[in-house]
Amino acid sequence: AQSVTQLGSHVSVSEGALVLLRCNYSSSVPPYLFWYVQYPNQGLQLLLKYTSAATLVKGINGFEAEFKKSETSFHLTKPSAHMSDAAEYFCAVSDGNAGNMLTFGGGTRLMVKP
Amino acid sequence: DADVTQTPRNRITKTGKRIMLECSQTKGHDRMYWYRQDPGLGLRLIYYSFDVKDINKGEISDGYSVSRQAQAKFSLSLESAIPNQTALYFCATSDSRTSNYGYTFGSGTRLTVV
Repeated sequence: AQSVTQLGSHVSVSEGALVLLRCNYSSSVPPYLFWYVQYPNQGLQLLLKYTSAATLVKGINGFEAEFKKSETSFHLTKPSAHMSDAAEYFCAVSDGNAGNMLTFGGGTRLMVKP
Repeated sequence: DADVTQTPRNRITKTGKRIMLECSQTKGHDRMYWYRQDPGLGLRLIYYSFDVKDINKGEISDGYSVSRQAQAKFSLSLESAIPNQTALYFCATSDSRTSNYGYTFGSGTRLTVV
């Protein structure tokens, strides 16, 4: 069965600083990987996804993530944080052996300081 | 109109009461899911349905039941609500034909059991 671990339930950065949110996965088959963002009082929105094409995936709002098979990682980055990036971020893995159902990590709350 | 609509958005109910949360979608997706979100625990799957006649338990189905009334509608019921069912509940949909595209989420229902 697949699983996802997000290191750090809370991450705080200053506005303009690099954002790095960590995600490690385990999967018995080549995975599909996703990052979702949840703004306050809203549902989850897809930020970006990896589906076995390019290993560096660009998403919305300047975010990107790199799939590293050797490290079983899919970390999310953004070069310069903006106040509007404050939200909760979820990493998810899809298992092709289980109808491509998603398993979610525990989430990381990103706080951006002025 | 939203692609995935959840009603109500907020609900306060008393212990022991029966309550139904509703989800409808205009995406034309065949698969629908119910998750609950608790701080620090991420999203946990309650029930899922791959089509109208296919309903399956998730990891935390005890105390919940579901009904797939049509392809577009998937309801979650708490037969006798208890305080530890206080949580944020999300409905999600996906298309089996494009399952590597991830899920589309509703805006959530915040349920408080007192």
